[in-house]
Amino acid sequence: KAGVTQTPRYLIKTRGQQVTLSCSPISGHRSVSWYQQTPGQGLQFLFEYFSETQRNKGNFPGRFSGRQFSNSRSEMNVSTLELGDSALYLCASSFWGVNTEAFFGQGTRLTVV
Amino acid sequence: QKEVEQNSGPLSVPEGAIASLNCTYSDRGSQSFFWYRQYSGKSPELIMSIYSNGDKEDGRFTAQLNKASQYVSLLIRDSQPSDSATYLCAVTITEGDGSEKLVFGKGMKLTVNP
Repeated sequence: KAGVTQTPRYLIKTRGQQVTLSCSPISGHRSVSWYQQTPGQGLQFLFEYFSETQRNKGNFPGRFSGRQFSNSRSEMNVSTLELGDSALYLCASSFWGVNTEAFFGQGTRLTVV
Repeated sequence: QKEVEQNSGPLSVPEGAIASLNCTYSDRGSQSFFWYRQYSGKSPELIMSIYSNGDKEDGRFTAQLNKASQYVSLLIRDSQPSDSATYLCAVTITEGDGSEKLVFGKGMKLTVNP
């Protein structure tokens, strides 16, 4: 059974640009959550999508957005990149949502210069 | 702000010993609790989930949950050098608007010495 797949693995972007990250969940999982991991703040919840709808949201600015497609694949977009957005972005998939076991992808390492 | 707290460590134990990792949380309504292991440069890997008070055992790992005291712990028996990693406690938190999110502790770095 294939795991969670995130693309790309590494990205370097310039301040002010925008970026789109992709996540393909485990087959049969309908929930995809996104997290930002930094050395200072640790793992922080961005948002969760379930059946193409954003169901839960963390405390991040509106520059961070996402969507989910009918096949449960999800994308996360960050607009007007700032240096502080440099982080490891992780997605996790689960059957029902944040209350159930979630499995992480390998992450996308974003560097903003 | 509802929080999940872990001692930052690091924790160092000899091979074969029991490693004990603890976590406290502030949301009395939390229902779901997880332990993840993260090796350096890798993504978190789910080790255990626990939903009810008491102990849950899986191989060398035992998760313990006490909702009255709002803590959850992870015991690793017969620790091996391959257990050396950062261990993350995660708790489902419900915000005032009814939204839910999985909140992680900052992690505890465990080193098992041969």
